[in-house]
Amino acid sequence: NAGVTQTPKFRVLKTGQSMTLLCAQDMNHEYMYWYRQDPGMGLRLIHYSVGEGTTAKGEVPDGYNVSRLKKQNFLLGLESAAPSQTSVYFCASRDRGGVTEAFFGQGTRLTVV
Amino acid sequence: AQSVTQLDSQVPVFEEAPVELRCNYSSSVSVYLFWYVQYPNQGLQLLLKYLSGSTLVKGINGFEAEFNKSQTSFHLRKPSVHISDTAEYFCAVSSGGSNYKLTFGKGTLLTVNP
Repeated sequence: NAGVTQTPKFRVLKTGQSMTLLCAQDMNHEYMYWYRQDPGMGLRLIHYSVGEGTTAKGEVPDGYNVSRLKKQNFLLGLESAAPSQTSVYFCASRDRGGVTEAFFGQGTRLTVV
Repeated sequence: AQSVTQLDSQVPVFEEAPVELRCNYSSSVSVYLFWYVQYPNQGLQLLLKYLSGSTLVKGINGFEAEFNKSQTSFHLRKPSVHISDTAEYFCAVSSGGSNYKLTFGKGTLLTVNP
């Protein structure tokens, strides 16, 4: 019963380094999302995907890129990390249609120094 | 565009007291509403959801919420809280038009004191 799995759980990056966060879901969901969570800001949508091979920008996309080459995986990339990207990142997946709830991963705590 | 406002960022209460966490939404179309809970250092899990029908929705751990269309609200309530209810609570909305988007409020930190 894995659900949504995020890799890694913790990471420290130096400014300017790059990294990729991996999200994998085993529920055959169509929709996948990347959010970031910052104190007092709630969850803000970075990018999302409504199906394999499609991605779209959310409300805070700058500095991030995503890919969804396989239905079960959604990758979030930071090409040149900045201290402002220090955050907790959550991946979520959801079945097609607005009536379904999202299932979340356990989060990735990223610190950029 | 859809949006969610959680009116209280922090709510401290004593154990066994009742609690209400407030949530207002805006959307120009029909909505689906959700409450999630996040325990420390964990992901979010669903407490309850409103899709249609009865405006009073019951969820896990004794929580319930009431959908009020005229006031565009979806407040979360529990008649008697426990220490273990200490967590952050998020209200979220999904609208009929752009129903792939799930928009969250900024969260309410519920702290239950002995």
